[in-house]
Amino acid sequence: NAGVTQTPKFQVLKTGQSMTLQCAQDMNHEYMSWYRQDPGMGLRLIHYSVGAGITDQGEVPNGYNVSRSTTEDFPLRLLSAAPSQTSVYFCASSYFGQGLRATNEKLFFGSGTQLSVL
Amino acid sequence: GQQLNQSPQSMFIQEGEDVSMNCTSSSIFNTWLWYKQEPGEGPVLLIALYKAGELTSNGRLTAQFGITRKDSFLNISASIPSDVGIYFCAGLLSGTYKYIFGTGTRLKVLA
Repeated sequence: NAGVTQTPKFQVLKTGQSMTLQCAQDMNHEYMSWYRQDPGMGLRLIHYSVGAGITDQGEVPNGYNVSRSTTEDFPLRLLSAAPSQTSVYFCASSYFGQGLRATNEKLFFGSGTQLSVL
Repeated sequence: GQQLNQSPQSMFIQEGEDVSMNCTSSSIFNTWLWYKQEPGEGPVLLIALYKAGELTSNGRLTAQFGITRKDSFLNISASIPSDVGIYFCAGLLSGTYKYIFGTGTRLKVLA
């Protein structure tokens, strides 16, 4: 059981380059999300999705795009990378029961992508 | 944006001691999750809480969902060296699909 799979593990970009961070889950979770982790700042929500075709912004969405064409995949796109986007990126997914009424939701994380923008 | 205040930021403890950490906010949460993260890895879920006042254990770990739904606590009893790591709380903000994370508690255990 693979869980949440992120690729690549490491990436170095030059300022202005574009790239896509991949995230896939095999647990049939409706909910998927992207976080960035910076030293001393915990994890901050970038974008999230509650199902195929539905995405929404988190706390720090600027500079990032997402789409959700299938239940399994939730790629994160950097259209023009900036040094401020140097960070560790985590994808996470969860089952969501009864709409917003929490019953058994648990957020599972991938192993992360370490991104450096020079 | 929304913030979760997590304390302490870091702590050194002797092996065998009990540890307490907490997360507080001015916002209301529907779910609290507690995670442990080790270097180079993603956060691993330790405990999940879904109801105000709920007390849940996982081995030597015990967590509680605050009555006001604005806070949560994690206790680790009889700490051992492998408890070293960073512990995060996360709350599902009421009325949203957004999980908000605390800034973490770095735990170091002295043998």
